[in-house]
Amino acid sequence: KQEVTQIPAALSVPEGENLVLNCSFTDSAIYNLQWFRQDPGKGLTSLLLIQSSQREQTSGRLNASLDKSSGRSTLYIAASQPGDSATYLCAVRLRGGATNKLIFGTGTLLAVQP
Amino acid sequence: DTGVSQDPRHKITKRGQNVTFRCDPISEHNRLYWYRQTLGQGPEFLTYFQNEAQLEKSRLLSDRFSAERPKGSFSTLEIQRTEQGDSAMYLCASSLVGTGSQNEQFFGPGTRLTVL
Repeated sequence: KQEVTQIPAALSVPEGENLVLNCSFTDSAIYNLQWFRQDPGKGLTSLLLIQSSQREQTSGRLNASLDKSSGRSTLYIAASQPGDSATYLCAVRLRGGATNKLIFGTGTLLAVQP
Repeated sequence: DTGVSQDPRHKITKRGQNVTFRCDPISEHNRLYWYRQTLGQGPEFLTYFQNEAQLEKSRLLSDRFSAERPKGSFSTLEIQRTEQGDSAMYLCASSLVGTGSQNEQFFGPGTRLTVL
């Protein structure tokens, strides 16, 4: 059974700091991995999608890496801003079979202090 | 707005009542997903459709839950005889059928259900 874990559960940093959020998964047979942002009481905003054949994806100040063999992904946020404060979720889609569901971690709650 | 939309955004109901939620996916997306999220947890998969066919259901989807997508466009999720444990955020997502980035799932704003 695929399990997704995110560490740390919560993180508080001063504005301007670079930071790394971690995601690990137990089954390396994944099709892709997505990183999402969720503001309190809101839906999910897709940030980056990494295919299983890729090692990283970048969008603006965000960079996501994937190491399938070790079952790990990281989300790097450069020059953090108070507007980056949110919960960040990673999710994997398994390879094989008819499933297209995403399996989510429990998220990292990020607070960027001005 | 061409994103995924959900209605209502909030629903408060009494235990034992039936509720129905609607999801309108991004117009060209033929896959539609329902997830449930409780406080402090990540979303959990409930079911998904490809066009009008319901192709996968989670064991979380008890017999009190039913989902439809009659014309392959919008979808409804009905919960019968609601229980307090059904209180959660119900999220809808959609994606294309294809490879690579076409599989990216885009989420709606969710419907927050509170069962009293």
